[in-house]
Amino acid sequence: EVQLVESGGGLVKPGGSLRLSCAASGFSFSTYNMNWVRQAPGKGLEWVSSITSSGNNMYYADSVKGRFTISRDNAKNSLYLQMNSLRGDDTALYYCARITPYGSGSNYRDSWGQGTLVTVSS
Amino acid sequence: QSVLTQPPSVSGAPGQRVTISCTGSSSNIGAGYDVHWYQQLPGTAPKLLIYGNSNRPSGVPDRFSGSKSGTSASLAITGLQAEDEADYYCQSYDSSLKVVFGGGTKLTVL
Repeated sequence: EVQLVESGGGLVKPGGSLRLSCAASGFSFSTYNMNWVRQAPGKGLEWVSSITSSGNNMYYADSVKGRFTISRDNAKNSLYLQMNSLRGDDTALYYCARITPYGSGSNYRDSWGQGTLVTVSS
Repeated sequence: QSVLTQPPSVSGAPGQRVTISCTGSSSNIGAGYDVHWYQQLPGTAPKLLIYGNSNRPSGVPDRFSGSKSGTSASLAITGLQAEDEADYYCQSYDSSLKVVFGGGTKLTVL
């Protein structure tokens, strides 16, 4: 069974930093692209960042580019999101999700974790 | 403002059929990128419902179906059940913004 377990969320002041982790199990982690998707309280889903299976290529939403860094450790079956210069509008539940390639580039997310809550407030 | 537009809410009585639209543009759905749908039950993580416009993952009832035409896609739910009450999101790819989600549609079963 595929399992994705996020951790590392919490309360942080504006301008602060936080590192999220996602522990994967039940599948061959090193062969899948992975991503982070967030959901602000009462709002919809927003793609944050993706990373290829090898870790060589990373992609970011404009809203987090230059502040967030996605990475992975295939030996530890883990995905990370380093978040710096946090702002109030970064407050959200952050989901780790597995990507399955499909068609001409529109990949889908077939497994999701339960999320970890990040609250940015003074 | 989401790149993909969905109605904020839809409703239907048990047993009825409802549809949820997902409208994009020539830089995403209209460019040929596939559309995927997710169901988010209250207080839970999203779950893949439809992939590749019209394909159901194992375990998803055939009451759920998807289609795509031009710059839009649709999710149809037939034989509506109380357990279908949830938020539904479409997702595709945009040549400028990369991965894009719709704003979500709240389905209420009357």
